[in-house]
Amino acid sequence: DSGVTQTPKHLITATGQRVTLRCSPRSGDLSVYWYQQSLDQGLQFLIQYYNGEERAKGNILERFSAQQFPDLHSELNLSSLELGDSALYFCASSTQIRDGGNTEAFFGQGTRLTVV
Amino acid sequence: SQKIEQNSEALNIQEGKTATLTCNYTNYSPAYLQWYRQDPGRGPVFLLLIRENEKEKRKERLKVTFDTTLKQSLFHITASQPADSATYLCAPSYNNNDMRFGAGTRLTVKP
Repeated sequence: DSGVTQTPKHLITATGQRVTLRCSPRSGDLSVYWYQQSLDQGLQFLIQYYNGEERAKGNILERFSAQQFPDLHSELNLSSLELGDSALYFCASSTQIRDGGNTEAFFGQGTRLTVV
Repeated sequence: SQKIEQNSEALNIQEGKTATLTCNYTNYSPAYLQWYRQDPGRGPVFLLLIRENEKEKRKERLKVTFDTTLKQSLFHITASQPADSATYLCAPSYNNNDMRFGAGTRLTVKP
């Protein structure tokens, strides 16, 4: 158990709909990352938050948005869904050390989104 | 733009041999490089982190090297076992921001 919790585990929805994926980071971790992984594809970095603020942005579509709340949980909102948005969506969290160095990320088990 | 390449999509080796996976990066100079293991349908799991001033790092049967001149990291699994079969991902980065991964190498260890 990584300590990162993602809900729901599975989600089936129709094209054009909007969904919200939720992530609770490990206790004490301030950074949250979101990734998309389509079938047999690599992890695509979407966006990162640190202590409530957007820190880095990757290949995130305009139809997608995210936020991190004061209690540090994060939500990824996907709207106007298309068939191609079907994928595993992972959230990861990491701690932040004073010198800005690099620490390991802990991943949740993912939310499998199927758009029909 | 930054690019991360892992040597091959798939690598098949015999049990007991050493698996060597390659991670190359271009257009940036990461200060750190991490390796992760991912099993099908699961989230990646951290294995090792190496800093730019470290040439080599070991953990049990795992060894990672980091050559900032070649812009390359090698990941070795010695005495490989079927249980090592998984996809291995590298993530070079400056710090904890904007952590991106290579496409991964799928390793299969045959008994």
